[in-house]
Amino acid sequence: KAGVTQTPRYLIKTRGQQVTLSCSPISGHRSVSWYQQTPGQGLQFLFEYFSETQRNKGNFPGRFSGRQFSNSRSEMNVSTLELGDSALYLCASSLAPGSYEQYFGPGTRLTVT
Amino acid sequence: AQTVTQSQPEMSVQEAETVTLSCTYDTSESDYYLFWYKQPPSRQMILVIRQEAYKQQNATENRFSVNFQKAAKSFSLKISDSQLGDAAMYFCAYRSADAGGTSYGKLTFGQGTILTVHP
Repeated sequence: KAGVTQTPRYLIKTRGQQVTLSCSPISGHRSVSWYQQTPGQGLQFLFEYFSETQRNKGNFPGRFSGRQFSNSRSEMNVSTLELGDSALYLCASSLAPGSYEQYFGPGTRLTVT
Repeated sequence: AQTVTQSQPEMSVQEAETVTLSCTYDTSESDYYLFWYKQPPSRQMILVIRQEAYKQQNATENRFSVNFQKAAKSFSLKISDSQLGDAAMYFCAYRSADAGGTSYGKLTFGQGTILTVHP
């Protein structure tokens, strides 16, 4: 069974632009969570989607948004990029929100210049 | 809100020796899960071991074991017979088991401990 895939793996954007990151969960998994990892703040929860509905949201500004499609694939969007948005963005999938394990993808490294 | 604290930014161990990574957490919930994740230089997060709060028995996965002290809110990871491949950043994480709670499904991570293994 294929693991969680994230595209693109690396991305360079300039301040003020917007970016869309994609996550394809493990086949059969319906819950997708997103995390931001930075050296200063560590790993922080962004949001979680299940059955195309956002179930939970972390403490991030409205510039960060996401959605989930009927095939469980998820996208997250960051508008009006700031230098501080430079981070590794990790996606994790699980069968459902209460599932025991979350399986992580390799991440998308976003650099904002 | 739940918090997870890893007080050791860096640890080192000799190959074949044993090392223990510390983790404490704060929560008002009685039912939850605790995890240790490993993040090697490739950045791929890998689940090492997990523990349900309602289980008194400490979890064990081959060379990895935990010391779960619920009353003390402590969850340490012991790595026995350390191998070069164990070198990585290790994260302790908490997840609520309350299906009706606002943080259900969300993982709260500690700041991580960098483990170096010397040959």
